[in-house]
Amino acid sequence: DIVMTQSPDSLAVSLGERATIKCKSSQSVLYSSSNKNYLGWYQQKAGQPPKLLISWASTRESGVPDRFSGSGSGTDFTLTISSLQAEDVAVYYCHQYYSPPLTFGPGTKVEIK
Amino acid sequence: QVQLVESGGGVVQPGGSLRLSCAASGFSFSTYGMHWVRQAPGKGLEWVTFIWYDGNSKFYADSVKGRFTVSRDNSRNTVSLEMTGLRTDDTAVYYCAKATDYGVSSYFQYWGQGTLVTVSS
Repeated sequence: DIVMTQSPDSLAVSLGERATIKCKSSQSVLYSSSNKNYLGWYQQKAGQPPKLLISWASTRESGVPDRFSGSGSGTDFTLTISSLQAEDVAVYYCHQYYSPPLTFGPGTKVEIK
Repeated sequence: QVQLVESGGGVVQPGGSLRLSCAASGFSFSTYGMHWVRQAPGKGLEWVTFIWYDGNSKFYADSVKGRFTVSRDNSRNTVSLEMTGLRTDDTAVYYCAKATDYGVSSYFQYWGQGTLVTVSS
């Protein structure tokens, strides 16, 4: 099974400041024939289902603000919120869909400082 | 627009059974795979199972293999999760989620609101 880890567990950022979340997979999720990373990021606000933010490590979903960006390849990935807004308070999960069992990171809680 | 509506959750005793359903609309249901993902209270996300667009291939997490069975009815645009031998650690909100194509290596493009299953004596 591919194990996903995230850091930090939680972070508090001032409004308008940058938030950076790291995700690491225990093996590469880069499919060589397509050169695509099978890595997604989800945002979950309290009491709501998760919402897809980014797929293929860096492709922002339609309607997702451009302050959210994803980067990385292979085993190391980053989700960046360039200018934190109040509505971004949530738990963020990375997810590998390279091979079953599909697995998630443990989540990173983002709060306002 | 895509809508996924889960139903069937409730309270069940350990060892009991429950059947969850997910009604889908707003997309061509018979051409997409479907996932179930669960979330224990206050915990993270755990993928449970996936069923191919035609129901001919299924994948399960080890934690539910042999106890849970996923199925779908493409004529009714529904996917179901039959859960037997329920344990207290199966207590969770269960979400159905639409895959991005027919195969298991797909991300969760849309999610339902979830249905709560509580296993308790």
